[in-house]
Amino acid sequence: NAGVTQTPKFRILKIGQSMTLQCTQDMNHNYMYWYRQDPGMGLKLIYYSVGAGITDKGEVPNGYNVSRSTTEDFPLRLELAAPSQTSVYFCASSYIGQADYTFGSGTRLTVV
Amino acid sequence: AQKVTQAQTEISVVEKEDVTLDCVYETRDTTYYLFWYKQPPSGELVFLIRRNSFDEQNEISGRYSWNFQKSTSSFNFTITASQVVDSAVYFCALSEPNFGNEKLTFGTGTRLTIIP
Repeated sequence: NAGVTQTPKFRILKIGQSMTLQCTQDMNHNYMYWYRQDPGMGLKLIYYSVGAGITDKGEVPNGYNVSRSTTEDFPLRLELAAPSQTSVYFCASSYIGQADYTFGSGTRLTVV
Repeated sequence: AQKVTQAQTEISVVEKEDVTLDCVYETRDTTYYLFWYKQPPSGELVFLIRRNSFDEQNEISGRYSWNFQKSTSSFNFTITASQVVDSAVYFCALSEPNFGNEKLTFGTGTRLTIIP
C-alpha cells in the first residue's frame, strides 16, 4: 500500500526551464492537493482537484499548471522556472468530507 | 476566512522539561477539523492528531497531550518529559470539509529544539 508517491525527490532547474512534478495515489481518494513550503513558513495551497477533470486554484497558483485526467494522478507543471519557485512541494490526497489527508514525502526543488 | 496562528516561532527547552506549543484558529463554521503535524529534520510530514470540532475532550497519547478549547479557539499541544527526538517543526492546521473544498490551512509552524 504505497499511499501518495511523489517523484522526483530532488531536482535542480535552471531559470526558464520547465518540469513536471509527479504525484500518484493508490487509495482511490477523490481530492488531491499541491502545497509548497518555503523556508520558515507553513504550507500554502497551490492547486487542488475534487475529482478527475476538475481542478481549481489555491492560494499561490501563479507560475504553475495542473491536470487531473485520472483519479490516481495529479501532476504539477512548472513552465518557466523562476528562483521564487525554489521550495519543497508536497502532494496530498483525501476522501471528500473525511479530512483524512495523506501526504507524499515531498519534492525539494531548487531553481538557479 | 480560515486562519491558523502559531505565535511561537522557536522554542528551546532542556531535555525532560515539559513544553506547550500554542495554536489559535479562526473559522466561520461550526464543523471543522484541527490537526497537528510533526516535520522532523528529514522533511516529511508526520500526522500526530486530528480533532473534530464537536469533540472537546482532551487527548493523551503517551508523552503527547492536546487541549482543545472552543471558547478560546485554541488547540494547544503539550509534550511531557521532552526528548531529543522531539526536536522538529510542528504545524497546526485547520480544515473545513463541509464547504466542499477540503483545503487545509496551516500555521507557520513552531521550531522546537530539545537540548540534551
